Amino acid sequence: KAGVTQTPRYLIKTRGQQVTLSCSPISGHRSVSWYQQTPGQGLQFLFEYFSETQRNKGNFPGRFSGRQFSNSRSEMNVSTLELGDSALYLCAARRLGANTGELFFGEGSRLTVL
Amino acid sequence: SQQGEEDPQALSIQEGENATMNCSYKTSINNLQWYRQNSGRGLVHLILIRSNEREKHSGRLRVTLDTSKKSSSLLITASRAADTASYFCATDSLEATDSWGKLQFGAGTQVVVTP
Repeated sequence: KAGVTQTPRYLIKTRGQQVTLSCSPISGHRSVSWYQQTPGQGLQFLFEYFSETQRNKGNFPGRFSGRQFSNSRSEMNVSTLELGDSALYLCAARRLGANTGELFFGEGSRLTVL
Repeated sequence: SQQGEEDPQALSIQEGENATMNCSYKTSINNLQWYRQNSGRGLVHLILIRSNEREKHSGRLRVTLDTSKKSSSLLITASRAADTASYFCATDSLEATDSWGKLQFGAGTQVVVTP
């Protein structure tokens, strides 16, 4: 079965712009989480969605937002980009009710802010 | 902020040797997981150990968990060049409801296995 798909894989933006990243989870994996990975801060949780509702949120400013669609696909948006937003953004999916916390990650979207 | 501290930060071994890395965390947990990440790629789940378990095996992997010390170790036996990757521990918080999607990751151990 197809894995978690993230698009785009690479993108370059300039400060002040905004960006939208997309994640398509594995079929049947209705929870989608987003993580930011940087060399300095490591892997940090952004938010989690299931049933089209944000269920958990990390400590990121309001410039970071997300949403989930009825088919479980998710998008995250970063507005007014800053240099420090350069990172690998990872999407992870999990099955609800599976009594396991195993996350299935996509390959990530690497964002460079100039 | 990161929940876990991993030790060592980097590890270089030869094929056939064992690799051991440790993870410490701060809060009470439901589960602890280990993930592997090849350079610049997504993370791959390796193994999950529940808070009421002390040891778990999966193939060449052995994980231990000591909740009294808030620490875990991952042992990779008979390592191969393909095991070269970064390894992360991840925990969920016992205090948060349905927090399984919200994991706190350690800083990772970078393992290099040379042929």
